Amino acid sequence: QVQLVQSGAEVKKPGSSVKVSCKSSGGTFRNYALHWVRQAPGQGLEWMGGLVPMFRTANYAQKFQGRVTITADESTSTAYMQLSRLRSDDTAVYYCARGGEYQVRYTWFDPWGQGTLVTVSA
Amino acid sequence: QSVLTQPPSASGTPGQRVTISCSGSSSNIGGSTVSWYRQLPGTAPKLLMYNDNERPSGVPVRFSGSKSGTSASLAISGLQSEDEADYHCAAWDDSLNGWVFGGGTKLTVL
Repeated sequence: QVQLVQSGAEVKKPGSSVKVSCKSSGGTFRNYALHWVRQAPGQGLEWMGGLVPMFRTANYAQKFQGRVTITADESTSTAYMQLSRLRSDDTAVYYCARGGEYQVRYTWFDPWGQGTLVTVSA
Repeated sequence: QSVLTQPPSASGTPGQRVTISCSGSSSNIGGSTVSWYRQLPGTAPKLLMYNDNERPSGVPVRFSGSKSGTSASLAISGLQSEDEADYHCAAWDDSLNGWVFGGGTKLTVL
């Protein structure tokens, strides 16, 4: 049974960066896509990007291009999402979720991490 | 504004059948499979339906999914109080080269 455990809540100043981790256990890490999805307070889900660790190249949502970097460390089965130039409207819960084998396209998201609250405030 | 369109709310009484719709276009729902997620307050979303109409292990048969053209639906029969949650649909979008979600539907059991 695959389990994803994320790092703890963060409070950041506008203009700074945040890096959230997502450690995978209980299954194969390198073959399966790892995605990042965020949810602002009271809002719906928003896909930020994803990558298959063995291929190392991430796909990013156009909205976040240039501001988000998704990486993975196969030695520790951990994925990372770094978001830079933070603004107040980046305040959200950030989730990692496992996707399909060998691709970020199609398939579905299962399981999900528990979520990491990132608060951006002066 | 979400790419996939869901009603913001839905409701029903215990035992009733409720349907939640998810409308998209040929670049997402029309060309890809749809998945559905249930989210209880303060918790992470959880997979409820995949490949339009397949239930993961442990999801009761009273949950069903369907798709026609550029729209998908999630049906819940025999509504129970514990079904109160937010429901989200998702699909890959070939034009955007990314995943898109609906805005979510808050289901209330009256």
